[in-house]
Amino acid sequence: AQKVTQAQTEISVVEKEDVTLDCVYETRDTTYYLFWYKQPPSGELVFLIRRNSFDEQNEISGRYSWNFQKSTSSFNFTITASQVVDSAVYFCALSGSEGNNRLAFGKGNQVVVIP
Amino acid sequence: DTGVSQDPRHKITKRGQNVTFRCDPISEHNRLYWYRQTLGQGPEFLTYFQNEAQLEKSRLLSDRFSAERPKGSFSTLEIQRTEQGDSAMYLCASSSRRTSGGALSGELFFGEGSRLTVL
Repeated sequence: AQKVTQAQTEISVVEKEDVTLDCVYETRDTTYYLFWYKQPPSGELVFLIRRNSFDEQNEISGRYSWNFQKSTSSFNFTITASQVVDSAVYFCALSGSEGNNRLAFGKGNQVVVIP
Repeated sequence: DTGVSQDPRHKITKRGQNVTFRCDPISEHNRLYWYRQTLGQGPEFLTYFQNEAQLEKSRLLSDRFSAERPKGSFSTLEIQRTEQGDSAMYLCASSSRRTSGGALSGELFFGEGSRLTVL
């Protein structure tokens, strides 16, 4: 079974600070996919990033970056120079070899950016 | 707006009544998913369709729940004899098996959800 753990519940940062969200996952699949989604107050989940299990290269996309470490089953996500519009709940998610089937979500991190 | 749309956005009902939610996916997407999200939790998978075929159902989907996608386009989720424990946000998502370039797509596009309150 797939399982995703996001330990922190609410994180408050002052605008322009960086914020890092931790995600630890469990899976028996050898091929799997990891995601980060953002859920603003409107409720719609917005896809941010996706990573394949066979590609541990870490990347930066705009103000977003992620650190994927298979050895520790972690997929951490960083927002650089946070803005008020980043205030939302962020979910880490995992799926098996199909890639977009039956996502298992963590409980989410509520990020509050204080102006 | 060509995103995933859900209707109604909010539904308040009395225990024991039936409710139905509708989801219109992005038109070219052949996969459609239903998830349920309760307060303070992440979304939980309920079921998914590829075209009109319902390929997988979660154990969360009790006999009182039924989902259909008759023509492979829009989908409905019906809950019969609602219980207070059914109160949640019901999220619909759609995806395409592959991008136009042939690469495997992993992105689910979610609607804004239908919030159900059972009194």
